[in-house]
Amino acid sequence: GAVVSQHPSRVICKSGTSVKIECRSLDFQATTMFWYRQFPKQSLMLMATSNEGSKATYEQGVEKDKFLINHASLTLSTLTVTSAHPEDSSFYICSATGGGPTEAFFGQGTRLTVV
Amino acid sequence: AQSVAQPEDQVNVAEGNPLTVKCTYSVSGNPYLFWYVQYPNRGLQFLLKYITGDNLVKGSYGFEAEFNKSQTSFHLKKPSALVSDSALYFCAVRRGMNRDDKIIFGKGTRLHILP
Repeated sequence: GAVVSQHPSRVICKSGTSVKIECRSLDFQATTMFWYRQFPKQSLMLMATSNEGSKATYEQGVEKDKFLINHASLTLSTLTVTSAHPEDSSFYICSATGGGPTEAFFGQGTRLTVV
Repeated sequence: AQSVAQPEDQVNVAEGNPLTVKCTYSVSGNPYLFWYVQYPNRGLQFLLKYITGDNLVKGSYGFEAEFNKSQTSFHLKKPSALVSDSALYFCAVRRGMNRDDKIIFGKGTRLHILP
């Protein structure tokens, strides 16, 4: 299947700083990327949907000023957690689709720990 | 609104026995259905999908799933379980393949294969 690379896989940051997570589709053009957050022993919570070249669509309850999403090209989307706090600590996962009747391909996930 | 239900938090199966992980869905129109597997601290791996056609779908690692429109179900099955099948399994539904069509996940079912 297609490959989606997510980086970094693990990051520890101080409270109040910002963290950027990258999601790249390596061998296909990702017209749509999804960002999820996963709490321990829980399902994936969709945070936002981003389409290349347009503003992301955020799910209800997700602060768009805190979780900045950029999808500037067909192979790269970024999620920036601004002014991170300990409650933002979580596992963040991106996925990408290339359009058409196809499954989404997932990145490896990023474990964010805010101390 | 679309939704996915996985009624079992955990399923225990003895190695060599058949396994079933249940999934029901709710979506308007014809659904696109997926199963993914997640290993600890990793992203999701695609197992199989139903888009159209034959109701019995075969996927990776010997897994299969049967689409039942009247029961709105898409249960995951395997004839003979392996210890290495132990993981977290997610069922997902997508209403369509337009850019803005979200992929919604069930809460996940943890599968334990007992040696």
